Amino acid sequence: TQLLEQSPQFLSIQEGENLTVYCNSSSVFSSLQWYRQEPGEGPVLLVTVVTGGEVKKLKRLTFQFGDARKDSSLHITAAQPGDTGLYLCAGGSQGNLIFGKGTKLSVKP
Amino acid sequence: NAGVTQTPKFRILKIGQSMTLQCTQDMNHNYMYWYRQDPGMGLKLIYYSVGAGITDKGEVPNGYNVSRSTTEDFPLRLELAAPSQTSVYFCASSYLAGRSGYTFGSGTRLTVV
Repeated sequence: TQLLEQSPQFLSIQEGENLTVYCNSSSVFSSLQWYRQEPGEGPVLLVTVVTGGEVKKLKRLTFQFGDARKDSSLHITAAQPGDTGLYLCAGGSQGNLIFGKGTKLSVKP
Repeated sequence: NAGVTQTPKFRILKIGQSMTLQCTQDMNHNYMYWYRQDPGMGLKLIYYSVGAGITDKGEVPNGYNVSRSTTEDFPLRLELAAPSQTSVYFCASSYLAGRSGYTFGSGTRLTVV
């Protein structure tokens, strides 16, 4: 059974701080996706990474796919209150996506 | 762009009642999914469909049924509701399985009392 472990489970920081969220597995994935979910809404896709070692930037968010395609990280620079939400990673192979349990981020002004 | 539309947004059911959660997408995606999300437990796949007329069980299918008569619609049926089915339900669709991003609906919050 493929599993994705996310850490930390909860993160509470002040506006302007930097943070990194991790997504780890013992399985190899052909792609890794990151979603953000706000209260009362469905998850929204942020990025898809498909190549080992790939780095993608989305404004203040930097996503990295591990060389072995078993892990990924999300780094946020100068976090803002609008970054508050649940961050989910999801791994894809030949079947359906496998979702991690998420990291709940709270950014206080 | 409507994307994935779910109805209703909220529902309270009594134990033993039945209901259908509606899901429709306008992106012509072949793949559709139903997930439930419980606090701290992530998203668990209930059923999925790879195209009209084809459905398959996910991780937690017991107590649920689905049908896929058209590409657009993928309703989820709850028979004999139980308190364990209290959850938030999300429908999603995708162009490909596994490698393309999922588009999620805004969810249905169901409480069984």
